[in-house]
Amino acid sequence: KAGVTQTPRYLIKTRGQQVTLSCSPISGHRSVSWYQQTPGQGLQFLFEYFSETQRNKGNFPGRFSGRQFSNSRSEMNVSTLELGDSALYLCASSLEGTSGGTGELFFGEGSRLTVL
Amino acid sequence: AQSVTQLDSHVSVSEGTPVLLRCNYSSSYSPSLFWYVQHPNKGLQLLLKYTSAATLVKGINGFEAEFKKSETSFHLTKPSAHMSDAAEYFCVVVPVGGYQKVTFGTGTKLQVIP
Repeated sequence: KAGVTQTPRYLIKTRGQQVTLSCSPISGHRSVSWYQQTPGQGLQFLFEYFSETQRNKGNFPGRFSGRQFSNSRSEMNVSTLELGDSALYLCASSLEGTSGGTGELFFGEGSRLTVL
Repeated sequence: AQSVTQLDSHVSVSEGTPVLLRCNYSSSYSPSLFWYVQHPNKGLQLLLKYTSAATLVKGINGFEAEFKKSETSFHLTKPSAHMSDAAEYFCVVVPVGGYQKVTFGTGTKLQVIP
């Protein structure tokens, strides 16, 4: 069974640009959640999608957005990039997310974004 | 509300000696508790999970953790450290049954000295 796939793995952008990151969950998983990891702030929850609906959102500005498609694949978008957006963005999938099951999360290897 | 506290940001052990990584939590809901490991520039890999079954949980690579409700702790242990255990470890609380957010501890970097 294929794991969680994130693309691209590495990317470099400049301030003011926007970026779209993609996440393909494990087959059969309906929940996809996104996390930002930085040395200063650690791992922070961005949002969770379940069956194409955003079910929960972290404390990030509106520049951070996401969506989920009918095949459960998810994208997140960051507009008007700032230097502080440089981070490893991790995606995780689970069968039911936090509403049922064990809540176990399966993580991708991440997309490392550098903003210059 | 929920929170996770990893009591040590860095732990250093000699190869072959025991490992103890400490985690305390608080949660309004009955949580599931997890330990994940992250090697440099990699995603998080599940080590073990507690989901209200047995309080002593065995995971991969010889790790285990004990859920102690009275102490609200979920410490991670391993009898004998291996060089390949050097990584960062995260204690994670996932509230099951409520639409709450996943909460991560701040991480413990484990150094294994040969």
